[in-house]
Amino acid sequence: AQRVTQPEKLLSVFKGAPVELKCNYSYSGSPELFWYVQYSRQRLQLLLRHISRESIKGFTADLNKGETSFHLKKPFAQEEDSAMYYCALSGGETGNQFYFGTGTSLTVIP
Amino acid sequence: EPEVTQTPSHQVTQMGQEVILRCVPISNHLYFYWYRQILGQKVEFLVSFYNNEISEKSEIFDDQFSVERPDGSNFTLKIRSTKLEDSAMYFCASKRETGKRELFFGEGSRLTVL
Repeated sequence: AQRVTQPEKLLSVFKGAPVELKCNYSYSGSPELFWYVQYSRQRLQLLLRHISRESIKGFTADLNKGETSFHLKKPFAQEEDSAMYYCALSGGETGNQFYFGTGTSLTVIP
Repeated sequence: EPEVTQTPSHQVTQMGQEVILRCVPISNHLYFYWYRQILGQKVEFLVSFYNNEISEKSEIFDDQFSVERPDGSNFTLKIRSTKLEDSAMYFCASKRETGKRELFFGEGSRLTVL
């Protein structure tokens, strides 16, 4: 079975502090991992994916296959980072199935 | 930039009534999805649709649910006889290619069943 776990429902950090949103997954094949973000009253939108190995809005995430983790990190949090963050896994037989974690609500305190 | 659009943004209905939620996926996308998010809970997969038929569905997607692509642009989710527990945000998403690629989401339709 495929599963994505985000252990923290809520996370608060001060502006300028480092932030790490945790994501662990279980999957029997080779998954593709994503982070989606949902700002207040907006749609879910892609933040980054592990294949791209890119940094978006200062966020990075490294896929650690040994620990089956895909934690999202940013060295200096900004107020505009306050949002809901979802870790997602793409897999299944056709690769067309997406599984979402329960989400972490990040609040950056000014 | 093309977007997935959903209507209505909010619908209030009485228990037992039928509801149709509409989605217009991005025009060159081939895979379509419905997800549900009950308030305070995670985003749950309902169904995926490709080549004019359901390709995968979850346990949530029982006989009261159906999907259709009636005219080549709209992708609809019908809930035949709504229950209180159907109250949720329903998200439509689309994807261009097969395999592991990004999903593009609509803004969601909030359904409130009274």
